[in-house]
Amino acid sequence: GAGVSQTPSNKVTEKGKYVELRCDPISGHTALYWYRQSLGQGPEFLIYFQGTGAADDSGLPNDRFFAVRPEGSVSTLKIQRTERGDSAVYLCASSPNSGNTIYFGEGSWLTVV
Amino acid sequence: QQQVKQSPQSLIVQKGGISIINCAYENTAFDYFPWYQQFPGKGPALLIAIRPDVSEKKEGRFTISFNKSAKQFSLHIMDSQPGDSATYFCAASSHGSSNTGKLIFGQGTTLQVKP
Repeated sequence: GAGVSQTPSNKVTEKGKYVELRCDPISGHTALYWYRQSLGQGPEFLIYFQGTGAADDSGLPNDRFFAVRPEGSVSTLKIQRTERGDSAVYLCASSPNSGNTIYFGEGSWLTVV
Repeated sequence: QQQVKQSPQSLIVQKGGISIINCAYENTAFDYFPWYQQFPGKGPALLIAIRPDVSEKKEGRFTISFNKSAKQFSLHIMDSQPGDSATYFCAASSHGSSNTGKLIFGQGTTLQVKP
């Protein structure tokens, strides 16, 4: 597709459940980022991939959060034992390589009830 | 030192007026300063960006002014239109040794342009 694609667009889950959020970056983009945006706030960095490897995961809040990008394209953000405080919009972004303009998807809105 | 502080939190401007949003940073390693526009239910979209080797950059009705010594930069929207009503985020990143390009965002400014 032309832009960064994220699925699902909305996800409601119960506290304690496991959630996966998928990101399909712009074709050919080697850099991929995950951000989290809480209501009324700016996006906060979670993790950055260059190719298949996580080059910077300093923004992951705790060990319940994990992300993979096994083939250097699609990425999955995984959240274990979800908590109500995890409710936010999870944004994925990609760029041709690190340091260039990054392009955001529309996000996955996660609600933990 | 990683923070980017943005003001005002909200702004109301009449159609045709000038909208001005300000940001300040502390980390002198930052070397890339973009502005993003976000509509409800959409992801942020890059509007305009500047690097610290210039003091001003203009693209259409949008201008970034950059003051390196004061560690401040601002977005000016000339001839503001109702379609400009959105949330605007400033951001900053460093492409130094870490070279991750990760962005540190401000808190956002909600702009409403009245017809």
